[in-house]
Amino acid sequence: TQLLEQSPQFLSIQEGENLTVYCNSSSVFSSLQWYRQEPGEGPVLLVTVVTGGEVKKLKRLTFQFGDARKDSSLHITAAQPGDTGLYLCAELREGETSGSRLTFGEGTQLTVNP
Amino acid sequence: EPEVTQTPSHQVTQMGQEVILRCVPISNHLYFYWYRQILGQKVEFLVSFYNNEISEKSEIFDDQFSVERPDGSNFTLKIRSTKLEDSAMYFCASSETPNQPQHFGDGTRLSIL
Repeated sequence: TQLLEQSPQFLSIQEGENLTVYCNSSSVFSSLQWYRQEPGEGPVLLVTVVTGGEVKKLKRLTFQFGDARKDSSLHITAAQPGDTGLYLCAELREGETSGSRLTFGEGTQLTVNP
Repeated sequence: EPEVTQTPSHQVTQMGQEVILRCVPISNHLYFYWYRQILGQKVEFLVSFYNNEISEKSEIFDDQFSVERPDGSNFTLKIRSTKLEDSAMYFCASSETPNQPQHFGDGTRLSIL
C-alpha cells in the first residue's frame, strides 16, 4: 500500500508570509492530487499533477511534481487568513476492474494569522 | 455548481444498532465512493461502486458494511451492528469516470454511544 507522508504536520504563519508544504511517497505516484479541507466540510480538489516535473499554478498557489514522481510540493505566496485549512495530498489509483481509490496523506494543518 | 449532498449531517446511534447514511451524487456522475475519517486520522477509502456493483473495497469494508443505489439518485452506506470504533466522519464522493476528479460531500458525522 502506498504511504504518503506530509510535512510539516502543523504550520502557523503570519499573513503575507510565504510557505511550502511537502508530500512524499515510498513509491512512484500514478497521479497526485492536492485537496483543501475546512472544518465540517469534505475535501475540495485544488489540482491534479500527472507528469514528472510538472508545475501548475492556481492564483497564489504553486504545485510542483518531482521529476521522479515520488514527491510533490505546494507553495503559497503571500498567505492570507482565508488560506487557513487542512491541505491533503492524495494518490489516485485506478482499480483492476473499474472505479478507483484515493489514498490520502495525513495532511498539513495551516493557520494564517492576521 | 452541482454538488454531492449527504444526510444527515450528524447521526447519533446506540452501539449495536444499524445506521444508513445517505448520499445524492452529482447527477451525471457514474462512479460513487465512500470514505471515512476517524477524528484526528487521515481520510480512508472504503468502497467504490459502479454499474450497481462494488468495483473496489478496502480491508475496512467488511461484512458489517454494505452499499446500495436504491433508486436513480441516492447512494447509501449501511453499517450493521455498529461498534464504538465506527464513530467517524463518513464522506461520499462521485466522479464521471474513474480518473476524473472525485467530488466530495460535506460528510455525515457518526457518533456511536
